[in-house]
Amino acid sequence: SQQGEEDPQALSIQEGENATMNCSYKTSINNLQWYRQNSGRGLVHLILIRSNEREKHSGRLRVTLDTSKKSSSLLITASRAADTASYFCARGLSGGSYIPTFGRGTSLIVHP
Amino acid sequence: KAGVTQTPRYLIKTRGQQVTLSCSPISGHRSVSWYQQTPGQGLQFLFEYFSETQRNKGNFPGRFSGRQFSNSRSEMNVSTLELGDSALYLCASSLGDLTGELFFGEGSRLTVL
Repeated sequence: SQQGEEDPQALSIQEGENATMNCSYKTSINNLQWYRQNSGRGLVHLILIRSNEREKHSGRLRVTLDTSKKSSSLLITASRAADTASYFCARGLSGGSYIPTFGRGTSLIVHP
Repeated sequence: KAGVTQTPRYLIKTRGQQVTLSCSPISGHRSVSWYQQTPGQGLQFLFEYFSETQRNKGNFPGRFSGRQFSNSRSEMNVSTLELGDSALYLCASSLGDLTGELFFGEGSRLTVL
């Protein structure tokens, strides 16, 4: 079964605006990762946040993790048309599982 | 360093046929995972191979199988194809540690008619 979902399913914004996507999960994790997928292509790893971290930055990306609420958010600041893609969170489950488990993703469209 | 290579990129099959997809991981990566991606179900984990052994398996019927060779290259096979098997099949490689960061190929787009 799915280990949680991204929210919203779709997001449409103007260039320059910030985009926020959320990810919820159900079981304990040892890390959570965000990936990006351009239409019909493979996924590209963006950022990993460990269960003992609360916030992480990478360029225009900011990821937060709230283990008490079992949720994470990805913020893309000053969005560009090139940020148009689907964004997925993947949970690395605790208990020895080596496989990140994905949600259905958020489809982001950034209008120029 | 070369990325993950998947072949073929596109293929069309008919119901009842079987298909084999290939994945060459990044050099040095010993773990290869396979995912099925469809619009309705999102990304679903098929199986993972590490050092030629299936280490994890998802919830797919036995028609879906895979293997890994000594050079870490992997193949997956789907027998007796059904219309619902139409999907993007993604292969990902990793070092295989608990970090879990995956490096994806571009995928093989399978259409079953």
